[in-house]
Formats: sequence, C-alpha cells, structure tokens
Amino acid sequence: RKEVEQDPGPFNVPEGATVAFNCTYSNSASQSFFWYRQDCRKEPKLLMSVYSSGNEDGRFTAQLNRASQYISLLIRDSKLSDSATYLCVVTLNSGNTPLVFGKGTRLSVIA
Amino acid sequence: GAVVSQHPSRVICKSGTSVKIECRSLDFQATTMFWYRQFPKQSLMLMATSNEGSKATYEQGVEKDKFLINHASLTLSTLTVTSAHPEDSSFYICSAPGPSEKQFFGPGTRLTVL
Repeated sequence: RKEVEQDPGPFNVPEGATVAFNCTYSNSASQSFFWYRQDCRKEPKLLMSVYSSGNEDGRFTAQLNRASQYISLLIRDSKLSDSATYLCVVTLNSGNTPLVFGKGTRLSVIA
Repeated sequence: GAVVSQHPSRVICKSGTSVKIECRSLDFQATTMFWYRQFPKQSLMLMATSNEGSKATYEQGVEKDKFLINHASLTLSTLTVTSAHPEDSSFYICSAPGPSEKQFFGPGTRLTVL
C-alpha cells in the first residue's frame, strides 16, 4: 500500500467550477499535512498546510480527518491559472523530517 | 522568504559520465538537506538525507556508491550521479528545512542521459 494515495485524475473542469480532491495516508504517526502545487517541469510549491480544524485561504479550503487518515482540498471558482498538479503531502514532523508525496492529481481548468 | 538554488537546471550527458548537482541555501543555514527524484507521472521520492559533517542516509533501493552526496558546508549539498545511464534520467530536486519549520525546494535539475 502506498503511503499517500490520490486519484491521479485528470480533472477537467470549466472556469468557475468547484472541484474537490481527496487523499488518504497510511502512516498514523504522521503529524503534518500539506497540499502542494506543481506546474509542469517545476518544483512543488506549498499551497497550504492542513489542520484538523479545517482551514481556508481565499478560494482554497483544506480539511484533515485524522481518524480516517483522510485529507481534502476544495477549490472554488476555478481559474485557468489553477491548472496544475496538486500534491498531497505528509510528514512525521514539519521541521527536519522529509516529506512524503502522493503522485498528485492533475487539474485542467478550461475556458 | 528563504531561497534554495540548484544548479544546473538542466543537463544532458552521455551514458557512463558523471554529473554533479549542487543545492545551496542562499539566506539560511541547513544542517540537513533532502534529495528527491521524480520520474514522469510519478511522485517525488526521497532518495537520501544529506547531513552536514556526516554521512548521508540513503533510502532503501538507492545505491550510495552511485549517488554520491557531499554536504560540505551549512549551505551546500552536492549530489553526484556516477556512471549515469539512461534509466537515471529524471527530475532531481533538493529541499532544505528553513525558517518557520517549512521546507524550501530548489528549482530542480532535469537530467537526460543519452
């Protein structure tokens, strides 16, 4: 079983749509959770951290369910510029431990 | 914010040659750096943890004699792919834990071995 599993997509959605991504992780000792965005042939960039209480950053909402080891990302009012691969990432510690990445979910927002 | 640079950004080499990739933390010190590899349509996979002043820690399945890591200073780690072969063609990315307990990624190195 992979440590972090994501639906690879692709998700093809029109501008303005709401889209949701899900992710599950296998290591119950994981302490920190993130969503990263990766554009083609580029390094991943941190989109947002994920907390059990849920957190929102503009059009993006992330949720963590520790009991079911499940992480979600909701994007509202999709923009063309949101087209990218979204990586679900977990780590044992947010500091000096390496990140464990999912394969990513590809999103294409269409005009 | 903290910046990590990586050089070269792209390299094309012949099979059997060695390639050195540098990862630098530009405005902070990093006693630890991580090296990842990403094959097409795959996730980033940790290859090794680079430790300043001591030996690197390699993940299972990563040959330490093939992927030489040197963490020469608090701001520089190098990864040398020795005797590269076409199956080593990949996207190599380093990261360093920086301020605010965040990890900062280099821009990556795309290696193509002919």
